[in-house]
Amino acid sequence: DTEVTQTPKHLVMGMTNKKSLKCEQHMGHRAMYWYKQKAKKPPELMFVYSYEKLSINESVPSRFSPECPNSSLLNLHLHALQPEDSALYLCASSHGRTGLTEAFFGQGTRLTVV
Amino acid sequence: DAKTTQPNSMESNEEEPVHLPCNHSTISGTDYIHWYRQLPSQGPEYVIHGLTSNVNNRMASLAIAEDRKSSTLILHRATLRDAAVYYCILRVTNAGGTSYGKLTFGQGTILTVHP
Repeated sequence: DTEVTQTPKHLVMGMTNKKSLKCEQHMGHRAMYWYKQKAKKPPELMFVYSYEKLSINESVPSRFSPECPNSSLLNLHLHALQPEDSALYLCASSHGRTGLTEAFFGQGTRLTVV
Repeated sequence: DAKTTQPNSMESNEEEPVHLPCNHSTISGTDYIHWYRQLPSQGPEYVIHGLTSNVNNRMASLAIAEDRKSSTLILHRATLRDAAVYYCILRVTNAGGTSYGKLTFGQGTILTVHP
């Protein structure tokens, strides 16, 4: 199983809503990543988790709150988002954080903030 | 972070080889060169990676210059399914430092394949 599964595939939320994105992998990977991708732009790194601990936060606003409850699961909690936060949110995982290991990506959650 | 430079776009004909270049003049000795591609409406997909020697796998070949300041991704026979954005990324190996653990995408090369 080399899949990274993201749910939901699509999400529409109001600016006052609270929602969560979910990412799951069963490859035994201990590094997991959240990316944000706007249309026709490359993915931008948001967070990196290593062994369920947050190791990198790329100065992401606090309205995005990541969580890694176990080695297979990664969540992104969303609260008080703005319309400019509408984007494709991608999750990825890799065996480790070094250049030796490749990353596997999910298909993403397309988020629209209204 | 060490940066990569790629052409914005390239075109190829189906069943012809494609050579996608990448410059990374500030690469450090322990940075791995990774290539990913992103097909329309999909998440990025790993293609290949290497350190110093040329690498082959079922998808592509990676040719790395002797000074490691550039590399080339080679698709031996392009198909319509290979039309995608191709990203060349440097991934550090040494623990510590601000770049450790990052997988940072540059602008990439949009590859168009003509039938």
